[in-house]
Amino acid sequence: GESVGLHLPTLSVQEGDNSIINCAYSNSASDYFIWYKQESGKGPQFIIDIRSNMDKRQGQRVTVLLNKTVKHLSLQIAATQPGDSAVYFCAENNRGYQKVTFGTGTKLQVIP
Amino acid sequence: NAGVTQTPKFQVLKTGQSMTLQCAQDMNHNSMYWYRQDPGMGLRLIYYSASEGTTDKGEVPNGYNVSRLNKREFSLRLESAAPSQTSVYFCASKLRDRNQPQHFGDGTRLSIL
Repeated sequence: GESVGLHLPTLSVQEGDNSIINCAYSNSASDYFIWYKQESGKGPQFIIDIRSNMDKRQGQRVTVLLNKTVKHLSLQIAATQPGDSAVYFCAENNRGYQKVTFGTGTKLQVIP
Repeated sequence: NAGVTQTPKFQVLKTGQSMTLQCAQDMNHNSMYWYRQDPGMGLRLIYYSASEGTTDKGEVPNGYNVSRLNKREFSLRLESAAPSQTSVYFCASKLRDRNQPQHFGDGTRLSIL
């Protein structure tokens, strides 16, 4: 079976509730941040991104918040659905640098 | 549009065998990447190609080689496979502009016995 998801922090939420997934990033020079969703057996899928000149960005049912003071990023999912069950990664892009650094991920389990 | 296509999806090798993982993208992206994903370690960059004709080492390049065949294709080669290379390998691509997300394939699951 798929080995991604073992040993990851897990967030369990009731269907219909809101979910908040947190991420601490490491580099104060990072200026672009991305959230990815990875379902079992699949590659990471882009959800939403935010640049460092913003502190909030909204998409469809998702909101990303950026707090540069404490180097913290969060992903809020409204009205969580069973299809939201997956591993969620944050990623940071350093200013002027081609490489992206990924977090280890949080597993979201939606309880029907 | 298929996006990023990786072949094969699964492979089992014996120690010392060689193999090439293939990746192709149809989004006209300039930059392409190879990652490995292991439990609890997140995605680690093996090699990347910022544009056609260039390749650079990432975080964990030892034991691997790459070829940027053309703008669409970026292959990863294991010359002499080792059990430590058992992993899930992902290819990604993106536009050259820095503030753009990477788009991933669905991975190659590689086991080395």
